[in-house]
Amino acid sequence: DTGVSQDPRHKITKRGQNVTFRCDPISEHNRLYWYRQTLGQGPEFLTYFQNEAQLEKSRLLSDRFSAERPKGSFSTLEIQRTEQGDSAMYLCASIPPGGRDGTDTQYFGPGTRLTVL
Amino acid sequence: GEDVEQSLFLSVREGDSSVINCTYTDSSSTYLYWYKQEPGAGLQLLTYIFSNMDMKQDQRLTVLLNKKDKHLSLRIADTQTGDSAIYFCADGYNKLIFGAGTRLAVHP
Repeated sequence: DTGVSQDPRHKITKRGQNVTFRCDPISEHNRLYWYRQTLGQGPEFLTYFQNEAQLEKSRLLSDRFSAERPKGSFSTLEIQRTEQGDSAMYLCASIPPGGRDGTDTQYFGPGTRLTVL
Repeated sequence: GEDVEQSLFLSVREGDSSVINCTYTDSSSTYLYWYKQEPGAGLQLLTYIFSNMDMKQDQRLTVLLNKKDKHLSLRIADTQTGDSAIYFCADGYNKLIFGAGTRLAVHP
């Protein structure tokens, strides 16, 4: 396994701009998750996909946020009209079909750190 | 709602044991997890425990689960400077609920 990858690793943007992040899960992992982590806090769930279907969205995911996974492989998370409160680390995680060793362990990528000026 | 709580900071001497504690509210989870996060990095899975178990040992790591009290702990034996990081416990199915993390500082 090459691991979950995320791009970019860092993004600095001005308030009001749109940003898009990409996540490539581990090959053949069919479930993909997005979390947001602010300074001094644990990650908070945003949304998850099973294959290309988005199955759950948190109330944290305002209408400025949209996530897609068009072919059931990589996923994108877009934030429109960014606000300073969007500054955080955005983490992606994936799980293989049936879980590994029978568990539902989520394997995390390195994250994308967003700074909104 | 579901909640996970952890103490925020722990300082130990190199070579001593570290014990990180966690309490949770969701009793329906099948597994509970411990993750480690180093500065600027993503989360690394350390270990997990099946909810029907009360103890799991994995090399230097020992996980204790008290389901009655909804209390989870992680013991790190012979703590090293490389163990300095933030440790998160998490529970849940599909959407993990994380604590705020315990910052472990290891000093000589």
